[in-house]
Amino acid sequence: DVKVTQSSRYLVKRTGEKVFLECVQDMDHENMFWYRQDPGLGLRLIYFSYDVKMKEKGDIPEGYSVSREKKERFSLILESASTNQTSMYLCASNTHRERNQPQHFGDGTRLSIL
Amino acid sequence: SQQGEEDPQALSIQEGENATMNCSYKTSINNLQWYRQNSGRGLVHLILIRSNEREKHSGRLRVTLDTSKKSSSLLITASRAADTASYFCATDATGAQKLVFGQGTRLTINP
Repeated sequence: DVKVTQSSRYLVKRTGEKVFLECVQDMDHENMFWYRQDPGLGLRLIYFSYDVKMKEKGDIPEGYSVSREKKERFSLILESASTNQTSMYLCASNTHRERNQPQHFGDGTRLSIL
Repeated sequence: SQQGEEDPQALSIQEGENATMNCSYKTSINNLQWYRQNSGRGLVHLILIRSNEREKHSGRLRVTLDTSKKSSSLLITASRAADTASYFCATDATGAQKLVFGQGTRLTINP
C-alpha cells in the first residue's frame, strides 16, 4: 500500500514565523501535491510538483513556497506565517507513468497560527 | 477554482438505507474520482470513472457519470455506521493528474 506521511498531525506557530510542513511518500511517485482544506471551501491546490526540482503553482500559491529536492519528499514553506493560514494541510502523491491514477493522501497537518 | 459542486451538503440516514450523493462540474473531463474523508483524517480514494464510462461498481459503491449533463452520482447501498464521513468528488480536466475538488457531502449514518 502507498504510504504518504506528513511530519506533524498538529502544529502551532506564531505570526511571522517561517513554517515548514514535510511530506514523504514511499511509492516512487513522480507527482506530489499540497492542498489546504477549509470549512465551506473544500480542498484547494496550493502547489504541485511533477518531478524533482520541478514545481507549479496551484490555485492559491500566495504566501507559500515549496521544495522538492528528492523524489520522495515535498516540503511546503510558509515564508512568514499569518493567521489566515490557519488550516488543515493535506499532501498527496500519484504516478504519471499511467493515466487516470488516483491520488494518495497523508493524514493531514492541522496548523494553527497564533 | 472549484469545479465540482456537491449535493446535498449534508445527508443523514438510518443504517441499512441507501445514500446517494451528486456532483456537478463545469468543464469537460478526463476522469472523475470520489474520495472519502473520516473526521480529522486524510482523503481515501474510493472509485475513479473515466469520461468514456457511464457506470462503475466497487463493493457497495455505484458511481454513474453523465457527461452530457456534466454530473455524477455516488450510491452507497446498505449503509453502515462506518460509512459516516465526508465524501468528495474531484475532476481531472486535463489528464495531467491535477484534481479540482468539490466542497463535499457530509454523510451521517444513524444506528
